[in-house]
Amino acid sequence: EIVLTQSPGTLSLSLGERATLSCRASQSVSSSSLAWYQQKPGQAPRLLIYGASSRATGIPDRFSGSGSGTDFTLTISRLEPEDFAVYYCQQYGSSQWTFGQGTKVEIK
Amino acid sequence: EVQLLESGGGLVQPGGSLRLSCAASGFTFSNYAMHWVRQAPGKGLEWVSVIISSDVHTYYADSVKGRFTISRDNSKNTLYLQMNSLRAEDTAVYYCAKWLQRQASFDYWGQGTLVAVSS
Repeated sequence: EIVLTQSPGTLSLSLGERATLSCRASQSVSSSSLAWYQQKPGQAPRLLIYGASSRATGIPDRFSGSGSGTDFTLTISRLEPEDFAVYYCQQYGSSQWTFGQGTKVEIK
Repeated sequence: EVQLLESGGGLVQPGGSLRLSCAASGFTFSNYAMHWVRQAPGKGLEWVSVIISSDVHTYYADSVKGRFTISRDNSKNTLYLQMNSLRAEDTAVYYCAKWLQRQASFDYWGQGTLVAVSS
């Protein structure tokens, strides 16, 4: 099973700052199988990024994804109030799906 | 508009059983793989199970294998999760999620149903 490790656990930033979230896989992951989700309290997750770097429908361009192999990054260029949430990476392969443990982006 | 509506959650004693349902609408249900993903209180997301559109192939997380059974009724546009031999660690919000293969991602999620296992 591929383990995804996200860092940091919590990111404390101010409005307008840049957020950089990391997702590291225990073995190489196909870029086409790496996605990112946003979850706010009491809500279901929402798809942000698929294929490591493609934005899902309706996702603002301040969200971007990058990476390959074992290291992937989600970047939020300028934090808006609605961006404070928990973010998860997720991968799929060999009939198993795994999520990272999440990174919480909180207001500083 | 795609909608996924889970039901069937509740309080159950350890060792008990529960069946969750997920009613789907707004898309051709039979064409898509469907998943269950759970989230324990205050914890992260954990993938539970998948059923491929053809209903032939199912896969499970090791933590639920042999205890949970996923199924679907394409005529009713409904996904199910039969949960047996429940344990305290199965306490979670259970989400059904639609899998979009060409994007290799969960593009739609239900609102979740809470399962609490406690005596």
